[in-house]
Amino acid sequence: DVVLTQSPLSLPVTLGQPASISCRSSQSLLHSNGYTYLTWFHQRPGQSPRRLFYKVSNRDSGVPDRFSGSGSGTDFTLEISRVEAEDVGVYYCLQGTHWPPTFGQGTRVEIK
Amino acid sequence: QVQVVESGGGLVKPGGSLRLSCAASGFIFSDYYMTWVRQAPGQGLEWVSYIGPSGSTIYYADSVKGRFTVSRDNAKKSVYLQMNSLRAEDTAVYYCARHGSEIDYWGQGTLVTVSS
Repeated sequence: DVVLTQSPLSLPVTLGQPASISCRSSQSLLHSNGYTYLTWFHQRPGQSPRRLFYKVSNRDSGVPDRFSGSGSGTDFTLEISRVEAEDVGVYYCLQGTHWPPTFGQGTRVEIK
Repeated sequence: QVQVVESGGGLVKPGGSLRLSCAASGFIFSDYYMTWVRQAPGQGLEWVSYIGPSGSTIYYADSVKGRFTVSRDNAKKSVYLQMNSLRAEDTAVYYCARHGSEIDYWGQGTLVTVSS
């Protein structure tokens, strides 16, 4: 199975400051059809995951533009330009290129 | 709007069985794959099972293969997860999610606790 390694696993941030989460894959996530199936989710405490980005950098409706997704091949990044209080929780990457789908371990974002 | 609502969780003894249901609305259910994902207490996300639009395409994680069975009823816009021979390590919140080219909308989850 493809292993997704997220770093850091815990990320204390100051309100208004940027934050960056890395997701590295044990194999290239470029599918033979030309798409890269790397998805980012945000899970607030006590809630179900909410999708933020699909196919690396396509932002879902309602996701603030302070969030951005980037990367290719095996290295991917989720960035928050200015962290707000509502951004706390756990962020997960998911790959859907190779079977079975696999998730990263999650990165917990908290306010300092 | 798109909604998926899980039900059927509860407390069950090791070796027991439970059937989870997921009711969908707000989209053309018969056009979509559906996925089950679980989350053990305080842990990360684990993909469990996947069923295609007609029910003919089905996959399971190795951890549940041979014990869990996924099915769907497109007339009722519902997907089911029959869980047999349950183990303590199956204790988790089970989420149902819509799966287009990628997983998008998730339900609120239903808690399954396997304990004597």
